[in-house]
Amino acid sequence: TQLLEQSPQFLSIQEGENLTVYCNSSSVFSSLQWYRQEPGEGPVLLVTVVTGGEVKKLKRLTFQFGDARKDSSLHITAAQPGDTGLYLCAGARGGSQGNLIFGKGTKLSVKP
Amino acid sequence: ETGVTQTPRHLVMGMTNKKSLKCEQHLGHNAMYWYKQSAKKPLELMFVYNFKEQTENNSVPSRFSPECPNSSHLFLHLHTLQPEDSALYLCASSQDLLQRGEKLFFGSGTQLSVL
Repeated sequence: TQLLEQSPQFLSIQEGENLTVYCNSSSVFSSLQWYRQEPGEGPVLLVTVVTGGEVKKLKRLTFQFGDARKDSSLHITAAQPGDTGLYLCAGARGGSQGNLIFGKGTKLSVKP
Repeated sequence: ETGVTQTPRHLVMGMTNKKSLKCEQHLGHNAMYWYKQSAKKPLELMFVYNFKEQTENNSVPSRFSPECPNSSHLFLHLHTLQPEDSALYLCASSQDLLQRGEKLFFGSGTQLSVL
């Protein structure tokens, strides 16, 4: 059973456009992380959001954690070809083990 | 460079072969993980080690056998695999077992093809 749904699965846009990708669940998470994975590489952590309603900005990337800590969004302003990659969200279930549950990811392609 | 190194980067093996994947982390972390990444599926946690003791085996078939000789090194021994085991195998580490906000550092993975 997949607990984290990411949408869209694929997104192909032109350089300069804005986009938003979503991560939704019916479960509550103690924290949520966003990773970017480039072809042939492992995922790299972009941000961790912990508090419901929290907004974090990383240059042109804006991350938001839902008030109920069940969903999150990633907004990219003025996308660049270097933003191309697979964006993964991962929710932590808490506890001492705190296993991360990953979504399937959104594959973003930004064309020059 | 994330501080987690995996070898080999690519591996092709027959179903009767025995091979091993290697992971080394230079970050001084206490916890290490094996994940499997297949097309169209979420990342699947396979094994977790904390201070070189296995703390989780996520119902992984016995043809996958992990080994953690110390906190810096992690191996995945492969034996009589099936074609459906073809995937990207990712090693990761974290300072301690994942808790709220703990960061995972991934290696580049081993792309495995089983013929």
